[in-house]
Amino acid sequence: GIQVEQSPPDLILQEGANSTLRCNFSDSVNNLQWFHQNPWGQLINLFYIPSGTKQNGRLSATTVATERYSLLYISSSQTTDSGVYFCAVGEAAGNKLTFGGGTRVLVKP
Amino acid sequence: DSGVTQTPKHLITATGQRVTLRCSPRSGDLSVYWYQQSLDQGLQFLIHYYNGEERAKGNILERFSAQQFPDLHSELNLSSLELGDSALYFCASSIEGHITDTQYFGPGTRLTVL
Repeated sequence: GIQVEQSPPDLILQEGANSTLRCNFSDSVNNLQWFHQNPWGQLINLFYIPSGTKQNGRLSATTVATERYSLLYISSSQTTDSGVYFCAVGEAAGNKLTFGGGTRVLVKP
Repeated sequence: DSGVTQTPKHLITATGQRVTLRCSPRSGDLSVYWYQQSLDQGLQFLIHYYNGEERAKGNILERFSAQQFPDLHSELNLSSLELGDSALYFCASSIEGHITDTQYFGPGTRLTVL
C-alpha cells in the first residue's frame, strides 16, 4: 500500500512564529486531506487538497502531486494551534484514507 | 462541528466483554468509514459502508464487525475485548464514497479495556 511520511515529528514554536509541515507520499493519490487533532482528540478538517494551493486564514497548503508531497504552512502561530497535524491520502485503488504519523506541534506563549 | 455524531464519548469495560459504538453520518452523506487510533498503530482504516453495503475492509479483526442501517447510521461491534483494543475509534462520513470525496470525522469514542 501507499506510504505516507510526515516531518518533522515534533515542532516547538514560540507564539507568532511561522512553520512548515511536510507530507511525502509514495504513489499517486486521488485525495489528500490535512487534519488538526486538538488536545481533546477531535480530528478537524483543515484542507482537501489533492493538488494546487489553498489558504484559510493563517493556514495554507500546497500539494505538488507530480512530486508526491504536500506542505502545510502555519503563519503567526497561536497557542490554539497546538496539537497533532495529520496528512491523509486516498489511493487510486482502494477506498480509504491512509494517514501519516503526524507532526506534534506545541506553541508556547 | 463536522456534523458527524458518535456515541458514547467514553467507554470503559473489561477484557472479554462486547461493546457497540454508534455513528450518525452528516445529513445527506451515504458513506460511513470506521478508523482506529492507537498509540502503537496510529490511525488505521477499519471498514467502509456505502448505503448499507460493505465497500472495503482494512485491518479489521475478526472479533470486530460493523453494519450500516437503512437510516444510514452505523454501528461497530467489538467482542471478546482485549487490552490492546483500547483506542480512539473514529467514524467518518462522505457524500458518495468515492475516494475523491472529502471525509468528515466525528469526535470519536475513547474505549478503555481494563
